[in-house]
Amino acid sequence: DGGITQSPKYLFRKEGQNVTLSCEQNLNHDAMYWYRQDPGQGLRLIYYSQIVNDFQKGDIAEGYSVSREKKESFPLTVTSAQKNPTAFYLCASAKSGEQYFGPGTRLTVT
Amino acid sequence: AQSVAQPEDQVNVAEGNPLTVKCTYSVSGNPYLFWYVQYPNRGLQFLLKYITGDNLVKGSYGFEAEFNKSQTSFHLKKPSALVSDSALYFCAVRAGHRGSTLGRLYFGRGTQLTVWP
Repeated sequence: DGGITQSPKYLFRKEGQNVTLSCEQNLNHDAMYWYRQDPGQGLRLIYYSQIVNDFQKGDIAEGYSVSREKKESFPLTVTSAQKNPTAFYLCASAKSGEQYFGPGTRLTVT
Repeated sequence: AQSVAQPEDQVNVAEGNPLTVKCTYSVSGNPYLFWYVQYPNRGLQFLLKYITGDNLVKGSYGFEAEFNKSQTSFHLKKPSALVSDSALYFCAVRAGHRGSTLGRLYFGRGTQLTVWP
C-alpha cells in the first residue's frame, strides 16, 4: 500500500447524504486516480488527475465529484445523485505509468 | 480503444503445481502491460510489468509473465503454486510514451486464483 493513505477504511452513510473519501500520497506523484470496484466487474475508473487543479472524467463519473487543490490530495465526493454508491473505492497515484494503490475505503449506503 | 480480457473468472490449482492466469489485450501502439494482485479488502499490489525488451518478465513472489505480441497475450505464470498465492489477479494495459504518466490503465475483470493444499 506504500505511501498512499485512504481514510476511513469503512464508511457508512444514509441514502441522500453526500460523503467525501480521502486520498493522500507522499510519493510526489503527479497523477492520481479513483476507481470503483464491484464484485465480478473489476476496476472502473471514476476520475483521474494528471496535475494540480486539473482532472478528467473516467468511465463512470456520474454522481461523483473530485478536486485537486494540492499535489498530495485527491478527495472524492460521492453525491446523492450516485444511484448505487455502495462499493469498494480505490485510490492510486502514478509515476512513469506504474500505479500504486491505497488500501481502499468500503462505503456502505443504506 | 484499449481493453484487457481475462477469460477465466476462476483458476484452481493444487499446491506445488504450475499455474497460469491468462490475459489478452488490445491497444493502439506499443503496449505497456502490468499484473497486480489483490488480497481480500486490500488495495492492489504491483507484481510485474512489461515495457520493452525481453518477452519473459520476472516479478515479485516468484511470478513471471510472457509477452506474446503475435497473440496479444501477457499470461501470468508461476512454476510451483503456494496456498498463499490465493488471491484476485488483475491484468492491465496502457499505451503512452515511456516515462510519462500520461495514459490511463485499463484493467481486466480479474481472475480469482485458488491454490488448494
